[in-house]
Amino acid sequence: DVKVTQSSRYLVKRTGEKVFLECVQDMDHENMFWYRQDPGLGLRLIYFSYDVKMKEKGDIPEGYSVSREKKERFSLILESASTNQTSMYLCASFGSNTEAFFGQGTRLTVV
Amino acid sequence: AQSVTQPDIHITVSEGASLELRCNYSYGATPYLFWYVQSPGQGLQLLLKYFSGDTLVQGIKGFEAEFKRSQSSFNLRKPSVHWSDAAEYFCAVGAIWGSTLGRLYFGRGTQLTVWP
Repeated sequence: DVKVTQSSRYLVKRTGEKVFLECVQDMDHENMFWYRQDPGLGLRLIYFSYDVKMKEKGDIPEGYSVSREKKERFSLILESASTNQTSMYLCASFGSNTEAFFGQGTRLTVV
Repeated sequence: AQSVTQPDIHITVSEGASLELRCNYSYGATPYLFWYVQSPGQGLQLLLKYFSGDTLVQGIKGFEAEFKRSQSSFNLRKPSVHWSDAAEYFCAVGAIWGSTLGRLYFGRGTQLTVWP
């Protein structure tokens, strides 16, 4: 019954590494989102996409980029990981009839 | 600007007691309102949502929320809390883009602790 799948639950990366977080949805949704969750700050939007190859910056895009080559897949890229990017990353997929589904999250630690 | 305020960072209640989690929003258009719950190590689960109609909305796990336009509030309530309700709760406001749900703006969350 899994609808939004994030490729990793836990990741540990070194400072300066290029990091890819993958998200796949199986519901044919147009809108996909990447949020970052930090204690006391709630969920903050990094990037979103409303169609293949289309992307828009959210509230905190600095240090991140995204890729959406296929409708079902939305990737978040940390070009050069830094310790302040240690966080929980949540992918979401929104569709018609106000459906909204979130992945289980990827807890990224940058050392 | 769109925003969501959850005034209570942490709430502690005894099992069996009633619960109210507060949420205030600022949104320029007709708001679509949501409450999500997140248990430790888990993703977000939708508790309930309000789009239109009856301002008292019933959700899963015995939760309900009331939309009050005049107060820009959407408070979450439960008459009797169970120990399994201990989790973090997020209020969110969003809009419809065409026929699909657009981005959501989230509050900072309220952490609920339940004493046995």
